[in-house]
Formats: sequence, C-alpha cells, structure tokens
Amino acid sequence: SQKIEQNSEALNIQEGKTATLTCNYTNYSPAYLQWYRQDPGRGPVFLLLIRENEKEKRKERLKVTFDTTLKQSLFHITASQPADSATYLCALEGYGNNRLAFGKGNQVVVIP
Amino acid sequence: DAGVIQSPRHEVTEMGQEVTLRCKPISGHDYLFWYRQTMMRGLELLIYFNNNVPIDDSGMPEDRFSAKMPNASFSTLKIQPSEPRDSAVYFCASSLGSGGGGDTQYFGPGTRLTVL
Repeated sequence: SQKIEQNSEALNIQEGKTATLTCNYTNYSPAYLQWYRQDPGRGPVFLLLIRENEKEKRKERLKVTFDTTLKQSLFHITASQPADSATYLCALEGYGNNRLAFGKGNQVVVIP
Repeated sequence: DAGVIQSPRHEVTEMGQEVTLRCKPISGHDYLFWYRQTMMRGLELLIYFNNNVPIDDSGMPEDRFSAKMPNASFSTLKIQPSEPRDSAVYFCASSLGSGGGGDTQYFGPGTRLTVL
C-alpha cells in the first residue's frame, strides 16, 4: 500500500540553526511533491512545490530537495526563527489527477 | 478574495444527529476538495470535485457521508447519522486547475466537529 512517512517526533531547534525535515514515500510515483505549513487551529498553507525532474527548489530561507531514487524529500529551514514554529506537511501528487496525498506532518519548535 | 470560507467553525452534536458542513471555494477555482484531519490518521482526502462534478469519492468512509456541489460557489458535506468516531477537523480546499497538475491547494479554516 502507498505510504508517506514523516517523523512523528517534534524537532526542537535553536534559533538561527537549520531545521531539516524528511518525507519518505513507498509505492508511489509522484509527478509533484509539495510542502505545506500548518499552524494550530488553521488550515495548511502552501510553501513550495518541486517536480519529479527537479532536484532542488529554493524560496527565501526554505529549500526542498527531491530524490526519486531514494523516494525521499528533504525540507530545510535555514536561519530558523521562533515564527517558523509550526507543523510541516509533505504532499504527493500523481500524474493527471490533481489530488494530493499528505503525510501526517512533522512539528518544528524553534527555541529562542 | 476572502479565501476559502467554511461554516460552522465549530460544531458539537449528539450521536445520531445529522451534521452539515458548508464550504465556499475561491471564485474561479475549478477544483474543490474535502479532507478530514485527526491525530491518528492525519489529513485524509474524502472526496473532490472538478467543475461541480464529483471525481473521486473513494475516501468517503461509509454511506453515512455524502457531499454535494450544486454550483461553483458552494459545497456541502453531510454526515447522517453522526457517530463519535466522526469527531475530527474537516477542511475544504480549492485549487485553480491549470490542467497540467501541480496546483496549489488553498485551505479553509476548518470545521471542528465533536460528536458526543
């Protein structure tokens, strides 16, 4: 069966350091991989999208890598700030169906 | 635009009652998605529509759940009868539908449903 795995343990990190989150998947061939941020009591908010033929994507302090051989995406927040504290979800989209399958998310806590 | 609008924000009901959740997508978006989020199962897709037509309802847990989209600006998710295990946060999301995939989904604030 298809699985999307994110670390269930919260990542506690010192302000200014780089936070790295992992998204692993099995039995899936995604055309796109997206990352969303979710704050408590709110809906997820889109951050970044990376295509299957792209290795890396950047947006300001965020960087995403995508390795289709390892079936893994890494999400980096550089120079982390307390405002980056949230849950981050990865989501996979197959070919031509516009639907997303989400991981359960990984919480990040940035300590001042 | 006001974003995706959902109502009510909170709903507390008793087992056996009918529950109706409402969603207004972003104007001009062709796709509408209903999700359910719990700690145990995460964010699960229940059903999605393209141009008001249901495309995939394989995520709907059972016949007690039904969804409609009578027009481009309104959708409902109904649970009848409700059960305690339906307690969750229900999200509606919409996307533009560019045709090539890779569309951003815009989520509403969610409806927190508690079934006693």
